[in-house]
Amino acid sequence: NAGVTQTPKFQVLKTGQSMTLQCAQDMNHEYMSWYRQDPGMGLRLIHYSVGAGITDQGEVPNGYNVSRSTTEDFPLRLLSAAPSQTSVYFCASTDSTDTQYFGPGTRLTVL
Amino acid sequence: GNSVTQMEGPVTLSEEAFLTINCTYTATGYPSLFWYVQYPGEGLQLLLKATKADDKGSNKGFEATYRKETTSFHLEKGSVQVSDSAVYFCALGRGTGNQFYFGTGTSLTVIP
Repeated sequence: NAGVTQTPKFQVLKTGQSMTLQCAQDMNHEYMSWYRQDPGMGLRLIHYSVGAGITDQGEVPNGYNVSRSTTEDFPLRLLSAAPSQTSVYFCASTDSTDTQYFGPGTRLTVL
Repeated sequence: GNSVTQMEGPVTLSEEAFLTINCTYTATGYPSLFWYVQYPGEGLQLLLKATKADDKGSNKGFEATYRKETTSFHLEKGSVQVSDSAVYFCALGRGTGNQFYFGTGTSLTVIP
């Protein structure tokens, strides 16, 4: 039982490049979400999904896309990276009691 | 709307000192309340939770009580250890909505 896994752990991009952050969970949870963590700002919700085929925007969705083709996977796509997207990204999976299980994070730097 | 306001840090305490980290919330509906802990270089992990008013969550010597009348969920520990050094986040469950809300986090350093 791996819980929530995220890849890669570290990534450096140049402005304008695109990439996909991977997230997978093996707990059969319907609800998954992506957050970014910036100093002094806590966790901000980017996108979330309440089940396969259903996604919605959170507080800071601009510049990011998501899809949810399976219960297990919830990738986050950066379409054209900008320095303002330098952050640590966390994926989380939520059980029926609203308890969230977080992945180890991806530290992204955009030059 | 929903929001969480958390005590500003950083907090530095000596080992065996008493800890309080304040958390207040605004919410529609009656969401669960959570405290998560983040150790350096790791993701957040659940510390404790409470699902309804007057519930007390507890774990590893930490406690917090869901106070509806003061809209608070303060985290306490009677005697902190060096190993408690981490960042602590207060969070609101979904309630009647579909999103979660986090406080900005409080960094705790415990010195021997």
